[in-house]
Amino acid sequence: GAVVSQHPSRVICKSGTSVKIECRSLDFQATTMFWYRQFPKQSLMLMATSNEGSKATYEQGVEKDKFLINHASLTLSTLTVTSAHPEDSSFYICSAARLAGFAETQYFGPGTRLLVL
Amino acid sequence: GNSVTQMEGPVTLSEEAFLTINCTYTATGYPSLFWYVQYPGEGLQLLLKATKADDKGSNKGFEATYRKETTSFHLEKGSVQVSDSAVYFCALRRSGNTPLVFGKGTRLSVIA
Repeated sequence: GAVVSQHPSRVICKSGTSVKIECRSLDFQATTMFWYRQFPKQSLMLMATSNEGSKATYEQGVEKDKFLINHASLTLSTLTVTSAHPEDSSFYICSAARLAGFAETQYFGPGTRLLVL
Repeated sequence: GNSVTQMEGPVTLSEEAFLTINCTYTATGYPSLFWYVQYPGEGLQLLLKATKADDKGSNKGFEATYRKETTSFHLEKGSVQVSDSAVYFCALRRSGNTPLVFGKGTRLSVIA
């Protein structure tokens, strides 16, 4: 099956620093990538939708200047948490959408756990 | 708006027990419905899906039927195994290239 990787899998940083998370579709070109955030014992909350070569569409309440998304190619999207604070600590998950014929399937990365001290 | 409500866990069952995890949805139009599973330390994996009313999705012994009249997509398995221990998410997608809307997830623990 299709594989989506995320790097790093876990990161600990100091408050005020920026952290970049990469999401790669390893064996297919992704028409769209989605970024989710998951709090403990909570559901996945969509943060933004990105299409290659265009600006990301952010969900209401998500600060676009804080969570910078770059979708430089059909296999790579990055999420940068700028000036991270402890409340940004969370589990960040990306998914890549693969279009095959008329069907579209999303494949999820394993997630990145961010801890801001 | 679109939303998914699933039963809260955790659910603890003995091996070979029958499993039901309830899921109901609210959506405009005719969404596609999904069950995803997240094993410990891994990413979400698609377990099964149904794209129209009365469709039954099935995989690995799990089944769910798209019931439009009750707006439900309950997950069932006749005999669970320890390896089924995971978090299960019900989700919907309205159409095309739109994002998934997830329920809160239900943690299942199966004990031998």
